[in-house]
Amino acid sequence: AQSVAQPEDQVNVAEGNPLTVKCTYSVSGNPYLFWYVQYPNRGLQFLLKYITGDNLVKGSYGFEAEFNKSQTSFHLKKPSALVSDSALYFCAVRDITSGGSYIPTFGRGTSLIVHP
Amino acid sequence: GAGVSQSPRYKVTKRGQDVALRCDPISGHVSLYWYRQALGQGPEFLTYFNYEAQQDKSGLPNDRFSAERPEGSISTLTIQRTEQRDSAMYRCASRTGGTDTQYFGPGTRLTVL
Repeated sequence: AQSVAQPEDQVNVAEGNPLTVKCTYSVSGNPYLFWYVQYPNRGLQFLLKYITGDNLVKGSYGFEAEFNKSQTSFHLKKPSALVSDSALYFCAVRDITSGGSYIPTFGRGTSLIVHP
Repeated sequence: GAGVSQSPRYKVTKRGQDVALRCDPISGHVSLYWYRQALGQGPEFLTYFNYEAQQDKSGLPNDRFSAERPEGSISTLTIQRTEQRDSAMYRCASRTGGTDTQYFGPGTRLTVL
């Protein structure tokens, strides 16, 4: 079984400040972890993923995420937020023992609002 | 094409009518997924295909929902005898072989009156 939790419905941050969007996961085996971003009236866009290797993953638009196995977390971070980062962010997980289906489970999303 | 496309973008229908939602994946992508996304929720898996073969349909809510991908490219999700609870955003995604990254279309917003 695989599940993911995004404990915050909304995150507010001032432009120029660092941002963190939280994600925790649960899997039976080892996880593949993903972040997607959804802008209004657009589809989900891939930001970054953790498969294996370095726990700090860098992705698009200056975002990064840190895999923490002991805390079963994969928080999304950015050193300096932009107003244009305001969007809906989804964390997703896939248990690598689930075989070749590549079916992820998505969190319910976190709305990031960056204030000028 | 350049990305995943879906049509129509918006569909309003009356309860009891059948609807067909179309997905055109990225050219050459082997796998195609359908998701349903309720307001305030993340995408929820419905079904997926590798080429023309439907590999998993465990997420389809009931037998009113069906999907096909007859030539291994375009896919159609059909909902028969629609009900108000079927109202949601329906999203399609495609993936090339050997990678987990899925590319999503813009979705079809279905409203059942």
